[in-house]
Amino acid sequence: DTGVSQNPRHKITKRGQNVTFRCDPISEHNRLYWYRQTLGQGPEFLTYFQNEAQLEKSRLLSDRFSAERPKGSFSTLEIQRTEQGDSAMYLCASRGGQETQYFGPGTRLLVL
Amino acid sequence: LAKTTQPISMDSYEGQEVNITCSHNNIATNDYITWYQQFPSQGPRFIIQGYKTKVTNEVASLFIPADRKSSTLSLPRVSLSDTAVYYCLVGDRSGGSYIPTFGRGTSLIVHP
Repeated sequence: DTGVSQNPRHKITKRGQNVTFRCDPISEHNRLYWYRQTLGQGPEFLTYFQNEAQLEKSRLLSDRFSAERPKGSFSTLEIQRTEQGDSAMYLCASRGGQETQYFGPGTRLLVL
Repeated sequence: LAKTTQPISMDSYEGQEVNITCSHNNIATNDYITWYQQFPSQGPRFIIQGYKTKVTNEVASLFIPADRKSSTLSLPRVSLSDTAVYYCLVGDRSGGSYIPTFGRGTSLIVHP
């Protein structure tokens, strides 16, 4: 257990529905990352927060994806109008002062 | 971009030492090199991090030559439970931002 939690752990939804995932980072970490991982690939960067500010967002990220970290603690990732291609593992990681990221267990999304 | 290149797969036997090399020719001056281990359906787990020369902890060693264009993760006396995917990560600082870029990783299979 790295101290980073993600909920839910699994989500099955129908195409076109909206889904929201939550990440609770290590409490003293001010940096938070979201990644997407598909089978056989490494984690793909989606977005990055420092405290409540969203500082980076992948150019590959569709407008259907949005992330928030309203109080600089937990974060949510929402996918609107899900598509089958959104099926993947969504990972959250938190980071303190150095470059070490601590990952959560991930949320596995299946879009039918 | 600080891309990384690793062998796609490696095989070993219990009790052997395993060395996995990662190439990162465009590493920036202030980038650290971090290695992660990932089991199926879990988030990546931090193994070791270094900047130069050699770093050792209770599970692995990391060797970084003077030019820092590559790094080698050394796992002493592997066991079956070390079967996993191993990623090296170097921060991508192009444009002044830090975007972690994972490669496809190295799938290590340890045989009895």
